Amino acid sequence: EVQLVESGGVVVQPGGSLRLSCGASGFTFGDYTMHWVRQGPGKGLEWVSLISGDGRSTYYADSVKGRFAISRDNSKNSLYLQINSLRFEDSALYYCAKDLVRGIVSTASLDHWGQGTLVTVS
Amino acid sequence: QSALTQPASVSGSLGQSITISCTGTSSDVGGYNFVSWYQQHPGIAPKLMIYDVSNRPSGVSYRFSGSKFGNTASLTISGLQAEDEAEYYCCSYTSISTQYVVFGGGTKVTVL
Repeated sequence: EVQLVESGGVVVQPGGSLRLSCGASGFTFGDYTMHWVRQGPGKGLEWVSLISGDGRSTYYADSVKGRFAISRDNSKNSLYLQINSLRFEDSALYYCAKDLVRGIVSTASLDHWGQGTLVTVS
Repeated sequence: QSALTQPASVSGSLGQSITISCTGTSSDVGGYNFVSWYQQHPGIAPKLMIYDVSNRPSGVSYRFSGSKFGNTASLTISGLQAEDEAEYYCCSYTSISTQYVVFGGGTKVTVL
């Protein structure tokens, strides 16, 4: 059974930094692209970033480019999101999600999601 | 502002069929068959319902179907049931900028 468990969400002041983590199990982690998606309070889903299975390819939403950095450690089955220069609008529930397919970067299909970790900028 | 446009709400009676639209551009929905749909109930993580425009993952009811014409993708729910009441989001690959994935703004489905 695929399981994704996020952690690291906290209350942080504007301008601060934090690192989110996502532990994965139940599949061959290094074979799949992984994503971060966030959802502000009462708002819709916003795609944030993805990283390919080998870690060589990364992509970011325009709203976070230059402030966020995605990474992974396949030996630890873990995904990370470093968030810097936090803004009020970064307050959200951050989900990690697994891509459906392997072998290519992504077809924008996310088949398993964690329960999210809450980041509050205040 | 979301890159993909969805109606804010759609409603239907039990047993009816409803369709949710998702309009993009030739740089996303219209240019590639990489459109997916997600169902989200309050307080729960999203669930993949449709991928690659019209494919259903294992375990998703046959009542859910997807299609695409031009720059608009659609999700149809037939035989509407009470448990279908939820928020639905479309998603697409995009070649715009250096982004890779964009979501729609979401559609609240209400079962009357």
